[in-house]
Amino acid sequence: EAEVAQSPRYKITEKSQAVAFWCDPISGHATLYWYRQILGQGPELLVQFQDESVVDDSQLPKDRFSAERLKGVDSTLKIQPAELGDSAMYLCASSGGQVTGANVLTFGAGSRLTVL
Amino acid sequence: AQSVSQHNHHVILSEAASLELGCNYSYGGTVNLFWYVQYPGQHLQLLLKYFSGDPLVKGIKGFEAEFIKSKFSFNLRKPSVQWSDTAEYFCAGLNNNDMRFGAGTRLTVKP
Repeated sequence: EAEVAQSPRYKITEKSQAVAFWCDPISGHATLYWYRQILGQGPELLVQFQDESVVDDSQLPKDRFSAERLKGVDSTLKIQPAELGDSAMYLCASSGGQVTGANVLTFGAGSRLTVL
Repeated sequence: AQSVSQHNHHVILSEAASLELGCNYSYGGTVNLFWYVQYPGQHLQLLLKYFSGDPLVKGIKGFEAEFIKSKFSFNLRKPSVQWSDTAEYFCAGLNNNDMRFGAGTRLTVKP
């Protein structure tokens, strides 16, 4: 079964450092999402791509967060500088293709960030 | 603003008990609704979805949900839960490319 790949699974960093997360969506999925999930809460959308274009980044804290999907395939989410409140699970999801359809998201395992 | 709300934060049941988890949405117009499940240590997985048609949708592992438009609800049900259903359950709604998740309900099933 096709999966959304994310790395690293766990990241511990000190505040003010830079961190980066990588996501490789299911092959053929045109839409890619980055969500942030704080413990005890539901996922919140940070950014959504359609191919290489940003569709929605209204909730992305652009002073410190950036995301790119240069070739319309894999994507990187960066935080610089990291703050204590950024500790969370960062989830990548993708949608599209013939099997799952355009509106069904498939999630990766997530990258858990701890900022000390 | 569009939102999805789940009223139960933590539900504790014994095996074989019936389950109903509440979900309400505040979207106008056409909405696609979903239930996702996150088992301990695993990633979010789709349980079931509603796009149109029969408002009673069946998903994996014996779960079902009913879309009641007049109540803006999409409650999740299972007639008899098992210990292996212990997980966090998230309701989500999609409208105009805007996907929102509820805060989640943690289900603990006692053996």
